[in-house]
Amino acid sequence: EDQVTQSPEALRLQEGESSSLNCSYTVSGLRGLFWYRQDPGKGPEFLFTLYSAGEEKEKERLKATLTKKESFLHITAPKPEDSATYLCAVQAFSGGSNYKLTFGKGTLLTVNP
Amino acid sequence: DGGITQSPKYLFRKEGQNVTLSCEQNLNHDAMYWYRQDPGQGLRLIYYSQIVNDFQKGDIAEGYSVSREKKESFPLTVTSAQKNPTAFYLCASSLRDSAPNTQYFGPGTRLTVL
Repeated sequence: EDQVTQSPEALRLQEGESSSLNCSYTVSGLRGLFWYRQDPGKGPEFLFTLYSAGEEKEKERLKATLTKKESFLHITAPKPEDSATYLCAVQAFSGGSNYKLTFGKGTLLTVNP
Repeated sequence: DGGITQSPKYLFRKEGQNVTLSCEQNLNHDAMYWYRQDPGQGLRLIYYSQIVNDFQKGDIAEGYSVSREKKESFPLTVTSAQKNPTAFYLCASSLRDSAPNTQYFGPGTRLTVL
């Protein structure tokens, strides 16, 4: 069974204080790993797709990296508007047409001014 | 302006009632999905559809039903058989047969049982 564990559950940073969020996963064959941002009461907003170990992607203050067992979302010099819940999900090669995403519980990031 | 719309934003259901949540997309995506989100849990897949007139059960399909008569639309009915329907419901869509298969989400419907 595919599993995703995100840590920490909650993270509080001061504005400008860089840090990383962790996503550990077990999957039979990785089709893709996804990062989403979710604001309260809203749907998840797509950030990144990664699918091979060593891959990195960047968007503004965010950089996502991938190894064979985990992914990190690095946040450089965060601003208060980066406050949100960050979700990690994996998609496995299941042999069929089920492109199901298995999600972690998320990391609630709060950036104080 | 392409995207996914869900309606209503808030929905209240009385015990014993069936309610239908709407999901429409104009991204020309073949595949559509319904997920349920509960506090402290990850999103869980209810149903998915890869093509019109075909759909499959996800991990928690009991008490739910869907239809896929049009490519753009994938409504979800929460039946009275669903014992604990209060949750945040999210619809998503994606291209079919792409690897990896990135899913894009709508704004969600919050269902509350009175």
